[in-house]
Amino acid sequence: EDQVTQSPEALRLQEGESSSLNCSYTVSGLRGLFWYRQDPGKGPEFLFTLYSAGEEKEKERLKATLTKKESFLHITAPKPEDSATYLCAVRRGGYQKVTFGIGTKLQVIP
Amino acid sequence: DVKVTQSSRYLVKRTGEKVFLECVQDMDHENMFWYRQDPGLGLRLIYFSYDVKMKEKGDIPEGYSVSREKKERFSLILESASTNQTSMYLCASSLSGGVRHGGYTFGSGTRLTVV
Repeated sequence: EDQVTQSPEALRLQEGESSSLNCSYTVSGLRGLFWYRQDPGKGPEFLFTLYSAGEEKEKERLKATLTKKESFLHITAPKPEDSATYLCAVRRGGYQKVTFGIGTKLQVIP
Repeated sequence: DVKVTQSSRYLVKRTGEKVFLECVQDMDHENMFWYRQDPGLGLRLIYFSYDVKMKEKGDIPEGYSVSREKKERFSLILESASTNQTSMYLCASSLSGGVRHGGYTFGSGTRLTVV
């Protein structure tokens, strides 16, 4: 059974204080690891897909990295508008569905 | 702007009612999904469809059914609503096939309350 564990469950940062969110996964034949951002009362918004260990993707203040066992979402100099829940998900080869983690709720304080 | 549209943002239904949740996508995606999201449990897959008239059970299909008569529309049906089906329901779509998968596009969600 595929498993995705995200840590921490919640993170509170001062504006400008860089940090990282962790996503540990167990999946047979990884065919994609996904990061999403979800604002309260809305559906998740796709951020990145990573396919192989060593791959990195960047978007504004966010950078996602991937190893064989985990992924990190690095947030550099965050702003209050980065406050959201960040979800990690994995897709197994041969399947269209993905398995989601519970998420990390990030709060950035001015 | 391409999108996934869910017909209702908020719904309140009575126990025992038959409930229809509608989802339409305009991206010509093959795959469509229904998830429910609950605090502490995350997103759990109810049903998905990879083609018109095709459907597969997800992780928690009990008490639900689906219909996909057209490529762009995927409906979730609660046959007899119960209070434990109170939840946020999220529809998503994606392109099919291949190793490279660009992720899901989600709708805004339907907050269903069963009283």
